[in-house]
Amino acid sequence: GAGVSQSPSNKVTEKGKDVELRCDPISGHTALYWYRQRLGQGLEFLIYFQGNSAPDKSGLPSDRFSAERTGESVSTLTIQRTQQEDSAVYLCASSLASGPRNTEAFFGQGTRLTVV
Amino acid sequence: DQQVKQNSPSLSVQEGRISILNCDYTNSMFDYFLWYKKYPAEGPTFLISISSIKDKNEDGRFTVFLNKSAKHLSLHIVPSQPGDSAVYFCAADASTSGTYKYIFGTGTRLKVLA
Repeated sequence: GAGVSQSPSNKVTEKGKDVELRCDPISGHTALYWYRQRLGQGLEFLIYFQGNSAPDKSGLPSDRFSAERTGESVSTLTIQRTQQEDSAVYLCASSLASGPRNTEAFFGQGTRLTVV
Repeated sequence: DQQVKQNSPSLSVQEGRISILNCDYTNSMFDYFLWYKKYPAEGPTFLISISSIKDKNEDGRFTVFLNKSAKHLSLHIVPSQPGDSAVYFCAADASTSGTYKYIFGTGTRLKVLA
């Protein structure tokens, strides 16, 4: 497809289970970002990839969160031992070059995660 | 600590009138700002940006104004149309050496009434 694709679009999981969220960026986009939006909150930065390296992991909320990226392609965000406060929409974005000023970041439609 | 603030969670405007969405920031080092628009069940889409070397940037019906001394920016939509009804996010470029990221506000839900 032409845009950023995220899967699944919705995920309901039991507290304590692990979940894996997937992002397929636009082909050729070297920069990839993960954000989350909890109810009533703004978009919260989680992690940024340049290629398959992540120079900034400071936004990951806890060590239960991890992310990886294969080359300049698919990224997965994994949440282990999910908690109810992890419930949010997880958004992925990608851009052509590094730096928000050089090129627009395109967002996927998000994965709505509900932990029950 | 919210570095980018949108203090109005919602705004209703009559079709054809002007919509003004406000955004305040706390970090005087921020020098590039963006507005994103988000429809339900879709990801945010880029709308307009402004660099601190300017105080105004215009694109069709959309104009962003930046007041650096007040650390305030606003998005004006005129004339407002029902299709503009969406959540609008203000964002600041918070990139540092080797790291690129935006800091977003909490969003303002705009409803344009026909």
